[in-house]
Amino acid sequence: SQQGEEDPQALSIQEGENATMNCSYKTSINNLQWYRQNSGRGLVHLILIRSNEREKHSGRLRVTLDTSKKSSSLLITASRAADTASYFCATVNTGNQFYFGTGTSLTVIP
Amino acid sequence: EAGVVQSPRYKIIEKKQPVAFWCNPISGHNTLYWYRQNLGQGPELLIRYENEEAVDDSQLPKDRFSAERLKGVDSTLKIQPAELGDSAVYLCASSPGLAGTYNEQFFGPGTRLTVL
Repeated sequence: SQQGEEDPQALSIQEGENATMNCSYKTSINNLQWYRQNSGRGLVHLILIRSNEREKHSGRLRVTLDTSKKSSSLLITASRAADTASYFCATVNTGNQFYFGTGTSLTVIP
Repeated sequence: EAGVVQSPRYKIIEKKQPVAFWCNPISGHNTLYWYRQNLGQGPELLIRYENEEAVDDSQLPKDRFSAERLKGVDSTLKIQPAELGDSAVYLCASSPGLAGTYNEQFFGPGTRLTVL
C-alpha cells in the first residue's frame, strides 16, 4: 500500500488527558496533512506541515514531522469529548500523489 | 459561506444498475476531487479536476466509473454498472488555487452508496 499508516488504530482516553497518534509513510513527501472525521460526517482539515518543517502548532494541536524516519505525530492536548473522531494523516509525495492513511479512532471519555 | 454540497446523501440500488453522484464545490474553488471511502478505511482518491480538466484519474476504475466537470464548477461521478463491491461513501472535496499540488481540501458530507 502507498498509504500512510496510523498508529494506534484505536485510542481511548479520559477527558483532559493528552492524545498522541502517529503516522508512518513510505516515500519522500512535499507535505503531510492531518484531517479529522466525526462519525457520519465529512473530513475537516486540521493542519498541514511541509517537508522542511519539523513542528507546527494550532490551538491544542501539535504536529511533528521527522522526514528521516518518515513519520509524523499529532498531539491533542487537554482532550475533550468533542475530540472523539477518526484522525487521518495524508501525504503528498514528491511525485505529487496524494494518499490518506488508514486512520486512528480516538474516543475521549467524559 | 456554503460548503461543498453533495447529493444524494444516501442511495440504495441493485447491482448492475447505474448510479450518479453530484457535487457542487465551494464557490471560487478551481480544484475538485472525488474520493471513495470504505468502512474503516481512509479515503481513496478517484479523480482530481483543475477547472474542467481531469489532471489525475490514475485510480479511477475506468471500465465502469466516469466523471465530468463540464463548466469547471459542479461535477458528476457515475458508476455503470454498479457492483456489490462499490458500496462505500463517495466524498467530494474542493480547494482553491491551481498550485498543482495538494493543500487544504474542504470536504462535503458524502453520498453513502449501498449496492444490493
